[in-house]
Amino acid sequence: QKEVEQNSGPLSVPEGAIASLNCTYSDRVSQSFFWYRQYSGKSPELIMSIYSNGDKEDGRFTAQLNKASQYVSLLIRDSQPSDSATYLCAVEMRETSYDKVIFGPGTSLSVIP
Amino acid sequence: GAVVSQHPSRVICKSGTSVKIECRSLDFQATTMFWYRQFPKQSLMLMATSNEGSKATYEQGVEKDKFLINHASLTLSTLTVTSAHPEDSSFYICSARDDWSPLHFGNGTRLTVT
Repeated sequence: QKEVEQNSGPLSVPEGAIASLNCTYSDRVSQSFFWYRQYSGKSPELIMSIYSNGDKEDGRFTAQLNKASQYVSLLIRDSQPSDSATYLCAVEMRETSYDKVIFGPGTSLSVIP
Repeated sequence: GAVVSQHPSRVICKSGTSVKIECRSLDFQATTMFWYRQFPKQSLMLMATSNEGSKATYEQGVEKDKFLINHASLTLSTLTVTSAHPEDSSFYICSARDDWSPLHFGNGTRLTVT
């Protein structure tokens, strides 16, 4: 069964620390991976997309992808209380005639001032 | 750019009635739209994928006769919850994409069926 898994939370880090969020996926042929942030009662907002193996940095965020290990991660440097949210890993999976984007269960992050 | 508008944001209806939710891509043409449902403290569950002008593809366990999806144009998709029941109460979120871009989400519709 195709699925996306994330490290269970909640994850608590002190302000200024690095938060590390992990995600594994089962579909070996997946090519597109996304990290979204969702605040309570709101829709997800895109943080970063990654398509190639290696690291991709955008400000305080770094996504890492390892297709051989079917693993994608998100690092948040200098964590701020405003980063407290649920982080969703999303993976594009290919069906016979269409592509779909499946979300992991999410990891709740709490940044303590 | 990449703005997705979803309407209404909140709706309360009586059991047995139908509710229509609209999803519009305002500044791009959405070749694919996705409808998700999210229950409290759970992740987004994909309900169906729709491409403009063709029938939606529903995920296993989602009743296509109950959740009618129409993707009439490259900028508009609608989800109609027919004969709604209290167990259909949830947060429904649409998303849209242009070819291989990331998903852009609407603000969601909180449906409460009494």
